[in-house]
Amino acid sequence: AQTVTQSQPEMSVQEAETVTLSCTYDTSESDYYLFWYKQPPSRQMILVIRQEAYKQQNATENRFSVNFQKAAKSFSLKISDSQLGDAAMYFCAYRSPEYGNKLVFGAGTILRVKS
Amino acid sequence: SAVISQKPSRDICQRGTSLTIQCQVDSQVTMMFWYRQQPGQSLTLIATANQGSEATYESGFVIDKFPISRPNLTFSTLTVSNMSPEDSSIYLCSVRRQVSSYNEQFFGPGTRLTVL
Repeated sequence: AQTVTQSQPEMSVQEAETVTLSCTYDTSESDYYLFWYKQPPSRQMILVIRQEAYKQQNATENRFSVNFQKAAKSFSLKISDSQLGDAAMYFCAYRSPEYGNKLVFGAGTILRVKS
Repeated sequence: SAVISQKPSRDICQRGTSLTIQCQVDSQVTMMFWYRQQPGQSLTLIATANQGSEATYESGFVIDKFPISRPNLTFSTLTVSNMSPEDSSIYLCSVRRQVSSYNEQFFGPGTRLTVL
């Protein structure tokens, strides 16, 4: 079964600094997608970034980038120039056609941003 | 993106009663899902809401406890039946929609349920 592991229950970062959130996953598939979702206190889940497994290039969205290591099954999220609005719960998620394209979520990491 | 609304946004219910949560999407979507997020936990898929047929439930979830309706491509309901305090959770509606070349998944704001 596919599993997604986020080993950091909570992280803190100073405003304007950089923070990296870790995620590992377990799969025997070669075709899959990985995602980072953000859930602020308002509860609205927001897609931050996606990565297709077949792409070697790491995805980037403005201040958010990933370090995708396919062989190691690692998918970390780097947030640069952290802002107070980045404070939220961050979920790593996996999806593959072999698993019915259902999203499988990690346990989440609470990110706190200090001013 | 997709605009998804849920009603109610929160409710406090008594043990043994039932609550129906509504999910409305701003345009037609093929795939609709219901998730549960227990306090401080991650999201767990309850079921896929199928238009015109019975929902597809994940392991650990049954129709008698979580009946789902999907009368059309923009609307679905989830009922939490015979509630107990263990059902206290956030329930989220989610849809999948094609955005550019990707099948993206979007989430509603959630319904916070407290069972006393």
